[in-house]
Amino acid sequence: ETGVTQSPTHLIKTRGQQVTLRCSSQSGHNTVSWYQQALGQGPQFIFQYYREEENGRGNFPPRFSGLQFPNYSSELNVNALELDDSALYLCAIRTSGSTDTQYFGPGTRLTVL
Amino acid sequence: TQLLEQSPQFLSIQEGENLTVYCNSSSVFSSLQWYRQEPGEGPVLLVTVVTGGEVKKLKRLTFQFGDARKDSSLHITAAQPGDTGLYLCAGASPRGSTLGRLYFGRGTQLTVWP
Repeated sequence: ETGVTQSPTHLIKTRGQQVTLRCSSQSGHNTVSWYQQALGQGPQFIFQYYREEENGRGNFPPRFSGLQFPNYSSELNVNALELDDSALYLCAIRTSGSTDTQYFGPGTRLTVL
Repeated sequence: TQLLEQSPQFLSIQEGENLTVYCNSSSVFSSLQWYRQEPGEGPVLLVTVVTGGEVKKLKRLTFQFGDARKDSSLHITAAQPGDTGLYLCAGASPRGSTLGRLYFGRGTQLTVWP
């Protein structure tokens, strides 16, 4: 058990809408990352937050944004949803002092119609 | 293009057979991680390898990190139906990237038949 939880588990939206996905962890950590996994693909890095600030971003447009809170929970926000945004969204935590090892939550399955 | 190439993409074998999955790149990684993922769930960490040439064993699974820290392999001995799943390799922090960022391969879908 990683102790990483994500909500909701499933979500259906229509094109143009906005969505907020949430991630929390039982253990102490200061780095949280978000990944997008399309069907049949490996996860792709969206961005990473360290001490409440974004400190790295993958090849995703600005309509993908995030927040990290003082209690280490995190949000991923996606505006102006597109059909290609349909995917499994994963958050991952990296504990202090780890060798880049990341522990993933169960994911949120987003379907955009 | 993928930074990490995994092969084979699909593997279907009988219970009791041995298999090897490969993960290759031209980039050097600070570490490499192997995950197993079930449909609709998040990846579950199997192992992290850090040192070039490192070999780690997890019951019937043997993981090796290449000497140059650019590639890795996963070998499963006497596969069982419970080993069925998507196996993902992920390289961490190649030069010039965000510290801690993982680059994933596309995965190997393993099916073990009874």
